[in-house]
Amino acid sequence: AQRVTQPEKLLSVFKGAPVELKCNYSYSGSPELFWYVQYSRQRLQLLLRHISRESIKGFTADLNKGETSFHLKKPFAQEEDSAMYYCALIGSNTGKLIFGQGTTLQVKP
Amino acid sequence: DAGVTQSPTHLIKTRGQHVTLRCSPISGHKSVSWYQQVLGQGPQFIFQYYEKEERGRGNFPDRFSARQFPNYSSELNVNALLLGDSALYLCASSLVPHNEKLFFGSGTQLSVL
Repeated sequence: AQRVTQPEKLLSVFKGAPVELKCNYSYSGSPELFWYVQYSRQRLQLLLRHISRESIKGFTADLNKGETSFHLKKPFAQEEDSAMYYCALIGSNTGKLIFGQGTTLQVKP
Repeated sequence: DAGVTQSPTHLIKTRGQHVTLRCSPISGHKSVSWYQQVLGQGPQFIFQYYEKEERGRGNFPDRFSARQFPNYSSELNVNALLLGDSALYLCASSLVPHNEKLFFGSGTQLSVL
């Protein structure tokens, strides 16, 4: 079954602390993995994707096919990082995004 | 560009009624997808349309239907509403179907009483 699991509903850290938002997936094939973010009162938007191997707003994510994970990391959290984060995958030749349940990141001052 | 626009923003219906939700994609985007987001969960895929044809369907009953118009706008219809249909309905557009860079609308909050 195709599935994305985010085990933490809420992650609370202090400003300047490292952050790791966990994401595990189940998919038979070669999925593409993404992180979407929703800031307060804003629309859901793409943060980053594993294909581009980029760093956006200091966040990085590495696809680990052996562990079927795609954890989102940032070495030093900022208050403006507080948001809801969704891990998602898209199967090959489909336009269907499969989302995880989401993790609320709360960065305290 | 206003981005993806959805109407109405909020809607209250009673069980058994039907509802029509509307979506206008970003100018130039030909693919529209619909997602249902129940409180506390991630969005769930309902439909994808491209060039007025259905390109994908999620695991939703036949009470859910959609269509895309020549101007690429789209409607989502839900018949015989159930309490469990209460959710935020999101529309997303992209240039082409298999494009992970989806642009989401603000959604329509549907409450079924």
